[in-house]
Amino acid sequence: QKEVEQNSGPLSVPEGAIASLNCTYSDRGSQSFFWYRQYSGKSPELIMFIYSNGDKEDGRFTAQLNKASQYVSLLIRDSQPSDSATYLCAPKGAGNMLTFGGGTRLMVKP
Amino acid sequence: SQTIHQWPATLVQPVGSPLSLECTVEGTSNPNLYWYRQAAGRGLQLLFYSVGIGQISSEVPQNLSASRPQDRQFILSSKKLLLSDSGFYLCAWNLGGEPQHFGDGTRLSIL
Repeated sequence: QKEVEQNSGPLSVPEGAIASLNCTYSDRGSQSFFWYRQYSGKSPELIMFIYSNGDKEDGRFTAQLNKASQYVSLLIRDSQPSDSATYLCAPKGAGNMLTFGGGTRLMVKP
Repeated sequence: SQTIHQWPATLVQPVGSPLSLECTVEGTSNPNLYWYRQAAGRGLQLLFYSVGIGQISSEVPQNLSASRPQDRQFILSSKKLLLSDSGFYLCAWNLGGEPQHFGDGTRLSIL
């Protein structure tokens, strides 16, 4: 059974702060890791993906991957109220299948 | 560019009625196609995926079925809906190992 664990939150941060979203996974065969953002009532949209250990930065977003620890995280710098959403972690295992975590709800307060 | 369409956006159905949700992808050929369900406040559960016409793999046994009659068309069906079938149904596509991209979803309520 492949498992992806995320703290459901809500994670509340003030505007301008760094939001740190964490995810652990059980499938050691996972090679690619995706972060999706889902606004309430909407479908998920891809915001970041990472394949290699270390950090990957894209604008205000940084994805961090540690395969030895089976841990992936997403940092959002200078958080804005528009970042308030649920963030889904999704490792990709064999056969292009994604396993989604339950998501972390982020609330950015003005 | 590629686009994915799902319809209807919302649907209210009585228990025991049939279901047909449709998803089409434009601007690409031979995509992988996926159906997910998301219960309220929960994560995404993969229901079916397809790597080609007529090729359907089921991840979760249930009263739902899927078909892929054309390369870029994916249909989710049921002969008799249950209360537990309520949820947000999402279709997604990708090519090879690329990220999956989602349609706008169908919110299904069973009465």
